[in-house]
Amino acid sequence: DGGITQSPKYLFRKEGQNVTLSCEQNLNHDAMYWYRQDPGQGLRLIYYSQIVNDFQKGDIAEGYSVSREKKESFPLTVTSAQKNPTAFYLCASRRGLSYEQYFGPGTRLTVT
Amino acid sequence: GIQVEQSPPDLILQEGANSTLRCNFSDSVNNLQWFHQNPWGQLINLFYIPSGTKQNGRLSATTVATERYSLLYISSSQTTDSGVYFCAHGQGSQGNLIFGKGTKLSVKP
Repeated sequence: DGGITQSPKYLFRKEGQNVTLSCEQNLNHDAMYWYRQDPGQGLRLIYYSQIVNDFQKGDIAEGYSVSREKKESFPLTVTSAQKNPTAFYLCASRRGLSYEQYFGPGTRLTVT
Repeated sequence: GIQVEQSPPDLILQEGANSTLRCNFSDSVNNLQWFHQNPWGQLINLFYIPSGTKQNGRLSATTVATERYSLLYISSSQTTDSGVYFCAHGQGSQGNLIFGKGTKLSVKP
C-alpha cells in the first residue's frame, strides 16, 4: 500500500525538551513538506525539501529543524527554541511535475 | 503572495441538503486543491482543479482562475461529510501550499 506514515500519532513532552517527529513515504515522491496546524486555522509551512540532502525554510521555520538523508524520510525536530510547540503537525509529499500534494495522518504534539 | 479566503466559515446542514463552498483568491491562480479534514485530522484529497469542472460522486468542483475563485459543491449531504473543507493554492516552482482557514461543515441526521 503506497502512502505517507507519521509517527507517533500523539506525543507529549515537557517544556525544554527537543522532540523528533517521523515522516516516511513510499510513493517515490521527490518533494516533501512539513506543515503546522493550530486550532481553527489552516495549515502553515514549516520546511520543505525538493530533493535528498536539500531543504528550505518555510514561513514559520524558527525553532524547527529537518534533515533529508533519504528520499523516503523527512523527520522534523521541534527544538526547545520553539515558543509555542503545541500543535498538529502534518507531513506531505508531491510528485516531481505535479502540484498535487498528499498528506500523512498527522502527529498531535502537546508540550507542558 | 496570494491570499486565500474561504466562505462561509461555518455551515450546518440537514442530511440530504446541498451546499456550495467558496474559495476566493487575491490574484489569478494556476493550481488549486480541495481537501476534506475528517474529525481525526486526516487531510483527504478531494480535487486537484487548476481550472474547469470535475465531478466525483456527490462532489464536484469548479475553478475559474481568471476570476479568482473556486467552488466546491456537495449534493445530498451525509453525516460523514462533516468536517473542515480547505482549499489551497500551490505557489512558486516548489509548490508550497497556501491554505484558506477552512469551512467547518456539520451535517445533522
